[in-house]
Amino acid sequence: QKEVEQDPGPLSVPEGAIVSLNCTYSNSAFQYFMWYRQYSRKGPELLMYTYSSGNKEDGRFTAQVDKSSKYISLFIRDSQPSDSATYLCATYLVFGKGTRLSVIA
Amino acid sequence: DTGVSQDPRHKITKRGQNVTFRCDPISEHNRLYWYRQTLGQGPEFLTYFQNEAQLEKSRLLSDRFSAERPKGSFSTLEIQRTEQGDSAMYLCASSEEGGNTIYFGEGSWLTVV
Repeated sequence: QKEVEQDPGPLSVPEGAIVSLNCTYSNSAFQYFMWYRQYSRKGPELLMYTYSSGNKEDGRFTAQVDKSSKYISLFIRDSQPSDSATYLCATYLVFGKGTRLSVIA
Repeated sequence: DTGVSQDPRHKITKRGQNVTFRCDPISEHNRLYWYRQTLGQGPEFLTYFQNEAQLEKSRLLSDRFSAERPKGSFSTLEIQRTEQGDSAMYLCASSEEGGNTIYFGEGSWLTVV
């Protein structure tokens, strides 16, 4: 089993929708979790990081960690066409495959 | 404050040639990482340094790959006798010591023909 699993999508939503992106991980020792956004042919850009369980909010973005189920989520409210990108979850040196998101105007 | 800088951004090389990529991390960061990313995949960890010490290497890093960080500042990643399967984006990242968030450069694209 891969250490971090992520549905690659693609995911297509209309502008203004709430987007939910999810990952699962296998190692219960992981404590820090990151979300990165990657535009085509660019390096990943750090969006948010969370420690242990709970929620963290930053503008339209909310990151959520549920350690009991080894599940991490990123929610995007009021999605915009500029949010169209690949979203990568990560924990200690390990990345998911990324979910490709398209927000349609 | 400049971010992580990588050079060259693009490289096309013939199979069998050697290539070298350079990475300059964020200046106050003493950890430096190399990743490889192919189309449709997330970044795959290759190796990381703390200052000049190479602390961890992935099994992905075959003996044709070598990374150095001689003075604990910039790093180089060399690929010898390139193969078509080496075609990928090579990403460098850096972090503070003990930091759990890493910051990436824009990547170096390698195409082996």
